[in-house]
Amino acid sequence: AQKITQTQPGMFVQEKEAVTLDCTYDTSDPSYGLFWYKQPSSGEMIFLIYQGSYDQQNATEGRYSLNFQKARKSANLVISASQLGDSAMYFCAMREPLYGGATNKLIFGTGTLLAVQP
Amino acid sequence: GAVVSQHPSWVICKSGTSVKIECRSLDFQATTMFWYRQFPKQSLMLMATSNEGSKATYEQGVEKDKFLINHASLTLSTLTVTSAHPEDSSFYICSARDIVFEYQETQYFGPGTRLLVL
Repeated sequence: AQKITQTQPGMFVQEKEAVTLDCTYDTSDPSYGLFWYKQPSSGEMIFLIYQGSYDQQNATEGRYSLNFQKARKSANLVISASQLGDSAMYFCAMREPLYGGATNKLIFGTGTLLAVQP
Repeated sequence: GAVVSQHPSWVICKSGTSVKIECRSLDFQATTMFWYRQFPKQSLMLMATSNEGSKATYEQGVEKDKFLINHASLTLSTLTVTSAHPEDSSFYICSARDIVFEYQETQYFGPGTRLLVL
């Protein structure tokens, strides 16, 4: 069963506006981590933000914030004041369990392609 | 954030030849590295987990004799695609696990290697 779901294959946003990229997840483990990565056309994966399942507050990193709703199992990425350089593919990923274990591998969603328009 | 490098960034080879891709963590030690493959317009698929000093753990469906992984040191993992064929053409990307503190860890990705087998 798919564990990470990104329902938006692509989105447009006007420069300087905020945009929300959706991500829902499914896990039976109480300890997990949620990540967002940005992949520009060059292909590199750029780490944006992390949210632990036990974190009390929503994570924020500059213009990026994560709207973590644990009961709904959603971890939407909010980008404020969009810039042209934000145009890229965005991937939501989940790692379980939160710590310990030999392989804390990431499971990726299918991605959302964001296009910022001037 | 932590820096991970990959070499080469792209490679073209003839069918039947072997290709080695290096993944290095430049400013931190990584006991665990991960190798992913990404086909055009698709998400990242984990191929294997590379553990320093032990054998790699392969995901289901990935041929371990075809994709040889060696994690020789805490900063270097190599992926060798043996007897490459056109269907092996893909974008190969590695990541290294950096433990920030006990309950948080992040995977940092290399810039990726584009492999084209003719």
